[in-house]
Amino acid sequence: RKEVEQDPGPFNVPEGATVAFNCTYSNSASQSFFWYRQDCRKEPKLLMSVYSSGNEDGRFTAQLNRASQYISLLIRDSKLSDSATYLCVVNKNSGGYQKVTFGTGTKLQVIP
Amino acid sequence: DAGVIQSPRHEVTEMGQEVTLRCKPISGHNSLFWYRQTMMRGLELLIYFNNNVPIDDSGMPEDRFSAKMPNASFSTLKIQPSEPRDSAVYFCASRVRQGGGYTFGSGTRLTVV
Repeated sequence: RKEVEQDPGPFNVPEGATVAFNCTYSNSASQSFFWYRQDCRKEPKLLMSVYSSGNEDGRFTAQLNRASQYISLLIRDSKLSDSATYLCVVNKNSGGYQKVTFGTGTKLQVIP
Repeated sequence: DAGVIQSPRHEVTEMGQEVTLRCKPISGHNSLFWYRQTMMRGLELLIYFNNNVPIDDSGMPEDRFSAKMPNASFSTLKIQPSEPRDSAVYFCASRVRQGGGYTFGSGTRLTVV
């Protein structure tokens, strides 16, 4: 089983729709979690951290479910500009340092 | 803040040649990471440095790859000799503290022919 797994998609959704992605992780000792966004032929950029209590940033909501070992990203009122690949990131301690693992990403295409 | 600066942006080289990729992290960030991204394998961590010291190089594919960080503001990733299968986008990223998010550079798109 991969350490971090994501549905590669693509998720094709109409403008204005709500879409949600999940990301599962295998190591229960994982400590911190993030969502990154990567546009085509660009570098990944930090979208938001994921806190245990859940957190929201405008149209974006991130949640963590430690019992089931997954994180989620919800995008409300999708815009064309939301089209990108969304990568989840999981940090865990390893030998006194943090090991960071990226998922392979979920591709979102918002359609007019 | 200039962000993480990588050079060159694009590199095309012939098989067998030496390739050197360069990275300047964000000032004050004490961790630096080299990643490789391909369509097939996604983002793979090659090596990371903490306070200029290599911490985990288990992702370096083989002895043809080497990385250095002689000071807090500069790192290199070298491939010698290069092979066509090394063709990928190589990203450098830095982080201010453990547990924090990364900032990526714009990447170097390497093509080995």
